[in-house]
Amino acid sequence: GAVVSQHPSWVICKSGTSVKIECRSLDFQATTMFWYRQFPKQSLMLMATSNEGSKATYEQGVEKDKFLINHASLTLSTLTVTSAHPEDSSFYICSARPLAGGGEQFFGPGTRLTVL
Amino acid sequence: DAKTTQPPSMDCAEGRAANLPCNHSTISGNEYVYWYRQIHSQGPQYIIHGLKNNETNEMASLIITEDRKSSTLILPHATLRDTAVYYCIVRVSNSNSGYALNFGKGTSLLVTP
Repeated sequence: GAVVSQHPSWVICKSGTSVKIECRSLDFQATTMFWYRQFPKQSLMLMATSNEGSKATYEQGVEKDKFLINHASLTLSTLTVTSAHPEDSSFYICSARPLAGGGEQFFGPGTRLTVL
Repeated sequence: DAKTTQPPSMDCAEGRAANLPCNHSTISGNEYVYWYRQIHSQGPQYIIHGLKNNETNEMASLIITEDRKSSTLILPHATLRDTAVYYCIVRVSNSNSGYALNFGKGTSLLVTP
């Protein structure tokens, strides 16, 4: 149980294009999902907190108009990187907190984004 | 959330117990200790968490000192597949809380044959 999936697992795109990443909780409902990114040899950095049916809360320094987050259901959140540039190349990871749980979070396998 | 301190790296021989320490001297009474690990190029994996009592599950044991200022994650029989970065995180556990996890630099554990 407590499986989180991400799609795609990797993507290569041209500079200036937009990329959508999906995060799904497969066997549980999650009112809250989190988006992180991780640059090489660094730790995970929180980008935003996504609550079902409401606007996401972004961390300081993360542009909300560039990283669009939609959390339309209790099992799906999407992150769209708009007008991607090479500096957006990173490992994007989502996590989900079960509606009924002890506070632990379960992470997706991550999406490797490379912007050429 | 309370800050944690972990050694940057550790080695362990396969089959031996791996004991990973974590200092969290500023932990408050309602904060839990969580452990996650991240194998290279994968998402973090939840291992275990506890408040003040020692905890054990199929993956590991968590030993928390009586004053709760430090803890140790124990992998009883380390395998090569346990090579990963291990993160000790302290935070409030509240079913109504949406708090994210603040990952520090963790401990890079290398299990050797």
